[in-house]
Amino acid sequence: EAGVAQSPRYKIIEKRQSVAFWCNPISGHATLYWYQQILGQGPKLLIQFQNNGVVDDSQLPKDRFSAERLKGVDSTLKIQPAKLEDSAVYLCASSVAGNRYNEQFFGPGTRLTVL
Amino acid sequence: AQSVTQPDIHITVSEGASLELRCNYSYGATPYLFWYVQSPGQGLQLLLKYFSGDTLVQGIKGFEAEFKRSQSSFNLRKPSVHWSDAAEYFCAVISYGQNFVFGPGTRLSVLP
Repeated sequence: EAGVAQSPRYKIIEKRQSVAFWCNPISGHATLYWYQQILGQGPKLLIQFQNNGVVDDSQLPKDRFSAERLKGVDSTLKIQPAKLEDSAVYLCASSVAGNRYNEQFFGPGTRLTVL
Repeated sequence: AQSVTQPDIHITVSEGASLELRCNYSYGATPYLFWYVQSPGQGLQLLLKYFSGDTLVQGIKGFEAEFKRSQSSFNLRKPSVHWSDAAEYFCAVISYGQNFVFGPGTRLSVLP
């Protein structure tokens, strides 16, 4: 079974530039999550999708971050414009449909460096 | 406010030695508890989880964890560490109506 795929694996941008990350969850997983992991910290949930609908985006900085999952499969996370403090690893995870207590399977992450 | 603490930022053990990683949580309701491992450049992998029942849970790779309600703890243990266990370990907690919350992580180094 293929795991969660993410691209790119690494990205370096200047502050105020825009960047987008892509995630392809495990086939059949209806729930998709985006996490931000700042160096030395645990992952922090940014947004949760159930199919193509948003379940929870309470911790997403909506002035600069956006995410979509148009067909209920792949998802993109965008930052526009980026700030220095956005430097982090962005993790995508997926789980089978249901509640949050289901096991989440994580992708390898995208490491973003903002200069 | 709900929180998860992992008091040890970095632990070093010798290969073959026993290991215990600490996790404490602060939640109003009974939480669901997880331990994840993150190897360099890899995503997080679930080691084990506790929902209810027997307070000693077994996981993959020879790990186990014990839930102690009176101490609000969910410590991870392994009787004999292997060099391949070197990684970052995260305790995570979720309770009804709340988001998944991860602790800050403990980095494990293994000496040959």
